[in-house]
Amino acid sequence: QVQLQESGPGLLMPSETLSLTCTVSGGSISGHYWGWVRQPPGKGLEWIAYIYYSGKSNYDPSLISRVAMSVDTSRNQFSLELSSVTAADTAVYFCARYLSSGLDLWGQGILVHVSS
Amino acid sequence: QSALTQPASVSGSPGQSITISCTGTSSDIGGYFLVSWYQQHPGTAPKLMIYDVSNRPSGVSNRFSGSKSGNTASLTISGLQAEDEAEYYCTSKRSGDTYVFGSGTKVTVL
Repeated sequence: QVQLQESGPGLLMPSETLSLTCTVSGGSISGHYWGWVRQPPGKGLEWIAYIYYSGKSNYDPSLISRVAMSVDTSRNQFSLELSSVTAADTAVYFCARYLSSGLDLWGQGILVHVSS
Repeated sequence: QSALTQPASVSGSPGQSITISCTGTSSDIGGYFLVSWYQQHPGTAPKLMIYDVSNRPSGVSNRFSGSKSGNTASLTISGLQAEDEAEYYCTSKRSGDTYVFGSGTKVTVL
């Protein structure tokens, strides 16, 4: 079955760039939309961005100046970069697959802590 | 961007039905039939329960149903069970081809 796994650093300093990768196993990244969602500790879900396997992407307006997604079909991976992080970016970051307007398959999530 | 508005908490007894509302605007819920609902238990990833307003993914119990009227979407859980106790989030496509989540609703089974 298709599985998603996030990877990346768990600790960043303020002003650094967060780089996360989501590896898709058991299926192809082609033909699907993929997304990133985050959840600050004890708070609700926040939509970050989506990308199509072709590379078409869109981002939350509040993050658009700092965020970028990319896709690597040869490695069956897609990635998220978030620049100039602050403590407010501390969260569990989830990657997920779209089924029409819903995210039907999720990674387990990765906790990213921003602290000096 | 502003989150969709959900009640902070909803509760019910086993076997009862409960409904969770999700209120937005004409720029999101009112403008698209692209509302989804997620269930999240503590420490786990969210689970898709409803997509495109009223469609259930394979494997989701038919006790869960979704609907929309104007700028408000609703999730109904019928025959409430202990395992339904969780946090529930709505989400909708929004103008600008983005998405926005709701504020979340804690469901308690009494």
